[in-house]
Amino acid sequence: DQQVKQNSPSLSVQEGRISILNCDYTNSMFDYFLWYKKYPAEGPTFLISISSIKDKNEDGRFTVFLNKSAKHLSLHIVPSQPGDSAVYFCAASVSSGTYKYIFGTGTRLKVLA
Amino acid sequence: DGGITQSPKYLFRKEGQNVTLSCEQNLNHDAMYWYRQDPGQGLRLIYYSQIVNDFQKGDIAEGYSVSREKKESFPLTVTSAQKNPTAFYLCASSMSQGLYGYTFGSGTRLTVV
Repeated sequence: DQQVKQNSPSLSVQEGRISILNCDYTNSMFDYFLWYKKYPAEGPTFLISISSIKDKNEDGRFTVFLNKSAKHLSLHIVPSQPGDSAVYFCAASVSSGTYKYIFGTGTRLKVLA
Repeated sequence: DGGITQSPKYLFRKEGQNVTLSCEQNLNHDAMYWYRQDPGQGLRLIYYSQIVNDFQKGDIAEGYSVSREKKESFPLTVTSAQKNPTAFYLCASSMSQGLYGYTFGSGTRLTVV
């Protein structure tokens, strides 16, 4: 049973436009969420996080939105740049537990120049 | 520079052989993890360890073994019992609370020939 889902395996966006990557989760106990970016043949790198006490967190061009009632989070990248082309994973955890993160299946973003 | 090092980057194994993947970190992190990445499957947890000399099975531990004799090291052995070992393996570490997510290594691509 996939507790964290990224239903769009791929997304293409024009350079300069907004990229919106979505993530849904089923476990209502999850209260801490991360986004990672991964280039081919490399390890994922941390991008941005959000705690369930917030509904938005911003870091430069990256903003994560959390809708707890819908069990949905999204990552917005504005403006998108060709260097943003990568696979993006969302991950969720229960903060009072072992911080064992459950990862989604990833969305491959392609930013077209 | 602190980081997490996986070696080798590429590994070829004959069917029926055991092989060990190395993971070393100098971040003074308490917890370490092994994930496997397959196309369309995201990152799946194999084993994790929160302290030295202790480790727990993840979601797909069958056919794998680990040890945690030192805080810095968490090697993964892929045994001949693992039916489909060809994959990209990622090691990660985190502070014990894991609040800021994981730091990942650059991965090892294992191919069974």
